[in-house]
Amino acid sequence: DQQVKQNSPSLSVQEGRISILNCDYTNSMFDYFLWYKKYPAEGPTFLISISSIKDKNEDGRFTVFLNKSAKHLSLHIVPSQPGDSAVYFCAASAYGSSNTGKLIFGQGTTLQVKP
Amino acid sequence: DGGITQSPKYLFRKEGQNVTLSCEQNLNHDAMYWYRQDPGQGLRLIYYSQIVNDFQKGDIAEGYSVSREKKESFPLTVTSAQKNPTAFYLCASNNRAHYGYTFGSGTRLTVV
Repeated sequence: DQQVKQNSPSLSVQEGRISILNCDYTNSMFDYFLWYKKYPAEGPTFLISISSIKDKNEDGRFTVFLNKSAKHLSLHIVPSQPGDSAVYFCAASAYGSSNTGKLIFGQGTTLQVKP
Repeated sequence: DGGITQSPKYLFRKEGQNVTLSCEQNLNHDAMYWYRQDPGQGLRLIYYSQIVNDFQKGDIAEGYSVSREKKESFPLTVTSAQKNPTAFYLCASNNRAHYGYTFGSGTRLTVV
């Protein structure tokens, strides 16, 4: 059972425009959500996170929105740059309940930003 | 600089062989994890360890084994029982008091 889903395998946007990456989850016990960025043949790097007590977190060009009632979160990148082209993973943790710190990852969305 | 080192970067295995992937961290993190990445399937958890001398199976542990004899090290052995071992393997660590992982740069394993 896929608890974290990224239903769009790929996304292509023009440089300067907004990129919106989506993520859905099924486990209502998840209380922390993260986005990671990954280049080919490299490990993922942390991008931005949000706690379940918030509905928005912003860091520069990156904003994550959380809609708990819909069990949905999204990552907005504005403006998009060619260097943003990578695979983006959504991840969730039910840290409060299990205390393991274990992350559950989505399948990833490949973002291509065209110059 | 603190971080996680995975070695080797590329590894080739013959059918029926066991191979061990190395993962070392100098971040003083308590927990360490092994994930496998396959196209279209994201990152799937193989094994994880929260303290030395203790580890738990993840979602796809069959055909793999691990050890955690030192806090800094969490090697993964891919055994001959793993039927489809060709993949990109990622090691990660975190401090249980904090969220999020630090990842290594990965090992690409190919069966030849």
